[in-house]
Amino acid sequence: SAVISQKPSRDICQRGTSLTIQCQVDSQVTMMFWYRQQPGQSLTLIATANQGSEATYESGFVIDKFPISRPNLTFSTLTVSNMSPEDSSIYLCSVKFHEQFFGPGTRLTVL
Amino acid sequence: GENVEQHPSTLSVQEGDSAVIKCTYSDSASNYFPWYKQELGKGPQLIIDIRSNVGEKKDQRIAVTLNKTAKHFSLHITETQPEDSAVYFCAASMKNYGQNFVFGPGTRLSVLP
Repeated sequence: SAVISQKPSRDICQRGTSLTIQCQVDSQVTMMFWYRQQPGQSLTLIATANQGSEATYESGFVIDKFPISRPNLTFSTLTVSNMSPEDSSIYLCSVKFHEQFFGPGTRLTVL
Repeated sequence: GENVEQHPSTLSVQEGDSAVIKCTYSDSASNYFPWYKQELGKGPQLIIDIRSNVGEKKDQRIAVTLNKTAKHFSLHITETQPEDSAVYFCAASMKNYGQNFVFGPGTRLSVLP
């Protein structure tokens, strides 16, 4: 299994600002994933982050809005840029070994 | 691409009764089907999974069945307890390296004492 921590656990932000979410894993992993979970909704994959290469974004998500860093095999950040109320969601970090594990999430509210 | 549907969206049962949640998938190439439980304020936790070469899998009060021909799979929880109350997500994927999951929309299960 994997132990995943995220910071911050929650935040309230003003529109137009940016927030960087950190994800730390207790094991080295090649691929890390970032998901968005809008209120009352399912999980939607934002991007896949490989160490040493550019993140791969899913349809509807762009690097300018959600830049991702992956400096090493245990850490990644997701930035939500120029936020609007529509960005209010839970953002989840995830890794895959034999199964897929999720972090506790970052609950973001944009006013 | 893969599309996963899940029913019902909400489910209320009395403590001790059984709960069944059903999912269908569209891509016949999918061969791995996990179920996740998400409690309030937490990330999803894997509770059981099944691979396409197996028709049924059981772990204590939880079981999953798979019908590959019909492309549907179900989660069965017996002797439900209040702590089973959560949102449950099914997912489907091809279990090869790098292939990610497509999640169903979720089922909010409430177990009434």
